[in-house]
Amino acid sequence: DGGITQSPKYLFRKEGQNVTLSCEQNLNHDAMYWYRQDPGQGLRLIYYSQIVNDFQKGDIAEGYSVSREKKESFPLTVTSAQKNPTAFYLCASSIDYRTGDSYNEQFFGPGTRLTVL
Amino acid sequence: LAKTTQPISMDSYEGQEVNITCSHNNIATNDYITWYQQFPSQGPRFIIQGYKTKVTNEVASLFIPADRKSSTLSLPRVSLSDTAVYYCLVEGYSTLTFGKGTMLLVSP
Repeated sequence: DGGITQSPKYLFRKEGQNVTLSCEQNLNHDAMYWYRQDPGQGLRLIYYSQIVNDFQKGDIAEGYSVSREKKESFPLTVTSAQKNPTAFYLCASSIDYRTGDSYNEQFFGPGTRLTVL
Repeated sequence: LAKTTQPISMDSYEGQEVNITCSHNNIATNDYITWYQQFPSQGPRFIIQGYKTKVTNEVASLFIPADRKSSTLSLPRVSLSDTAVYYCLVEGYSTLTFGKGTMLLVSP
């Protein structure tokens, strides 16, 4: 059963603690993405990775870090430097970042809702 | 950086055609326009993608005028299950800019 999984679905942390969100895909996709979603704000790109061992900052990378040591995994760490970490975090993957003259469909995970107390 | 603007919400009735327009005045030559659908507490799902003119698939049509500064997602004969948030996305070599989404409410 192929797909993209995120865990946990709900996560609570105390202010000042770092927390790592998991994202795994078994679709054999090269590209992976992390988005943050706040009410009324749509989706904002945090980081993306086009290939293993490579990643690029998105629009709101400050206070976050990522790694891409394996093709199927793209964990996101929310650090204590992130001023407003409470949000819904979405991970996505696509076959490739771009193929020919178009961009590939992104497949999204179910999301992790992080609440910092 | 392409910024997108969409209506916050729209209302419709079952069986009607719905058109949602997205404005992207700063779209670059190599950028594509993609639309996604999202239900509450779920990840978005791909609907359609286009570069110019008209694209049609089994669920929607996408109209893009010659200047490409806007695009319109057309949903034919909506049903109650089409109630969701619809996002316009402009994709480029270093850009992935989602709009804030349009909440479509379909009533009986």
